[in-house]
Amino acid sequence: GNSVTQMEGPVTLSEEAFLTINCTYTATGYPSLFWYVQYPGEGLQLLLKATKADDKGSNKGFEATYRKETTSFHLEKGSVQVSDSAVYFCALTLNQGGKLIFGQGTELSVKP
Amino acid sequence: GAVVSQHPSRVICKSGTSVKIECRSLDFQATTMFWYRQFPKKSLMLMATSNEGSKATYEQGVEKDKFLINHASLTLSTLTVTSAHPEDSSFYICSAGGGSETQYFGPGTRLLVL
Repeated sequence: GNSVTQMEGPVTLSEEAFLTINCTYTATGYPSLFWYVQYPGEGLQLLLKATKADDKGSNKGFEATYRKETTSFHLEKGSVQVSDSAVYFCALTLNQGGKLIFGQGTELSVKP
Repeated sequence: GAVVSQHPSRVICKSGTSVKIECRSLDFQATTMFWYRQFPKKSLMLMATSNEGSKATYEQGVEKDKFLINHASLTLSTLTVTSAHPEDSSFYICSAGGGSETQYFGPGTRLLVL
């Protein structure tokens, strides 16, 4: 079946540290991949996406590259801020406008 | 970006009563909306796909008679939790498709059944 696996949290970092949140997927077709972020008390927001192999999604200093050979879509940021503290969800979809399959979420806490 | 609203944001009800949650796309039309359930420290679980003008498609294990979904217009879908019980307490989130694989999520509704 189709699934998404993320590294377990919580992840605690100091401000300006480098961030990596691992995400791997299993899919029967050619999925589009997403990272969503959920700030405390808010709904999910799209952070970035990639629709085909080798695409790189980027937004707000975050990046993720669609790696078909390793079925991965790891999220990275060179220097995190306290305001990046949130829960990050990796997700995939196999059809346009279709349902999303989410990973379990990774909580990030950035300390000053 | 596109905005999706949910109402109410929080609701507390007695066991055995029904609760209706609304999901609205404010600045775009959505033929398809999705309803998710999120448990504490857990991922989102898709409950059903809501299609405008037709019956919702429920995921395996989700009771369609308990979680009634109505998508009467291109900007409104409702989820009614019928005869709610404490185990139905959860965070319910809707999303609406933006037509380009991007989904826009509502802020969620926290339901507490006493």
